[in-house]
Amino acid sequence: QKEVEQNSGPLSVPEGAIASLNCTYSDRGSQSFFWYRQYSGKSPELIMSIYSNGDKEDGRFTAQLNKASQYVSLLIRDSQPSDSATYLCAVGRDSSYKLIFGSGTRLLVRP
Amino acid sequence: DVKVTQSSRYLVKRTGEKVFLECVQDMDHENMFWYRQDPGLGLRLIYFSYDVKMKEKGDIPEGYSVSREKKERFSLILESASTNQTSMYLCASGGTSGRNEQFFGPGTRLTVL
Repeated sequence: QKEVEQNSGPLSVPEGAIASLNCTYSDRGSQSFFWYRQYSGKSPELIMSIYSNGDKEDGRFTAQLNKASQYVSLLIRDSQPSDSATYLCAVGRDSSYKLIFGSGTRLLVRP
Repeated sequence: DVKVTQSSRYLVKRTGEKVFLECVQDMDHENMFWYRQDPGLGLRLIYFSYDVKMKEKGDIPEGYSVSREKKERFSLILESASTNQTSMYLCASGGTSGRNEQFFGPGTRLTVL
């Protein structure tokens, strides 16, 4: 079992729809959770961080964390073609400097 | 804004050459990381550093070494480049005040011929 699992996709949604990206992790001691967006040929860009159970909203993005079920999700409202990218989930522990990255989900937003 | 810069966007080297990749961050971050990213293999950690002159091996350190003489600068060295080291190399920094988020530089696409 991978430490951080994501569906590779592609997840295809029409413009204006809500895109829902999911991530599960295996380490119950994980305490920090991040979503990165990576455009083709570019480096990952941090778009959301979440540390406690519940929802965190930032503009069109909402991160949701459920530690009991060991999953974290990213919702993108009013999806735009410019949101088409690979989204990486990353998980960390306070006791470690390292992050464990998922392999990413490719999102395609159709005009 | 956090700024992480890398010395080159594209680099072409020959097999056996010694290659230096440099990374500089301007946010006084304690931690710096080197990853490589290959299609189908995701991000793999090569080395990281949690303080000046301190380093730890990541998941794939073979064929690489690192140097951190100043807090803001972290170098990755390929002692004798090989074709299987052709990859995208990503530097990241982070870890201030107990938060372990990481910020990435633009990446260096290295081709070894």
